[in-house]
Amino acid sequence: GENVEQHPSTLSVQEGDSAVIKCTYSDSASNYFPWYKQELGKGPQLIIDIRSNVGEKKDQRIAVTLNKTAKHFSLHITETQPEDSAVYFCASGEATSGTYKYIFGTGTRLKVLA
Amino acid sequence: EAGVTQFPSHSVIEKGQTVTLRCDPISGHDNLYWYRRVMGKEIKFLLHFVKESKQDESGMPNNRFLAERTGGTYSTLKVQPAELEDSGVYFCASSLTGNYGYTFGSGTRLTVV
Repeated sequence: GENVEQHPSTLSVQEGDSAVIKCTYSDSASNYFPWYKQELGKGPQLIIDIRSNVGEKKDQRIAVTLNKTAKHFSLHITETQPEDSAVYFCASGEATSGTYKYIFGTGTRLKVLA
Repeated sequence: EAGVTQFPSHSVIEKGQTVTLRCDPISGHDNLYWYRRVMGKEIKFLLHFVKESKQDESGMPNNRFLAERTGGTYSTLKVQPAELEDSGVYFCASSLTGNYGYTFGSGTRLTVV
């Protein structure tokens, strides 16, 4: 079946450094790629997303890049802060009218060390 | 606005028992989804409601799982009888029609012993 591979499973960085999480998807029909952040005791929260007609999107300290040819997409967090510590999930899906079902990766636990 | 509410937050039941999980979506969100995360693995799709209708239930594991959304408001997910492999965190999410992104609830952690 279709899947999304996510790496690394855990990532520790020093405060102020950058963090990169990478995902690979298998379904060629995928055209929407959201990233979710899950803090302890809470549900996943959408932090940024990208559609297949765009190669890069940035929102303050976070950015996402997409390589459709290679079926890769990545999350970049710059100037990391302790509050960035959480589990991050990538996802992919074919977002057509009425159908918004996504395949998620296995998650990356990011620890930002003060 | 209130977020997506799920309860209970935790449930521990014995194998063979029945458990019902509840989800209250954000008011006005026609789309309601159930997902499950088992033991540190990926978050997997279970099903999608549009109002009270099941749009897609392709992710439901077997007929021990029954989801309902009477009246198009809150939804319940019943597991009967529960098996050990049903343990995991069950997430509910909702969205407005036309919105790609979801709002997730905090999840229900189900442990079957």
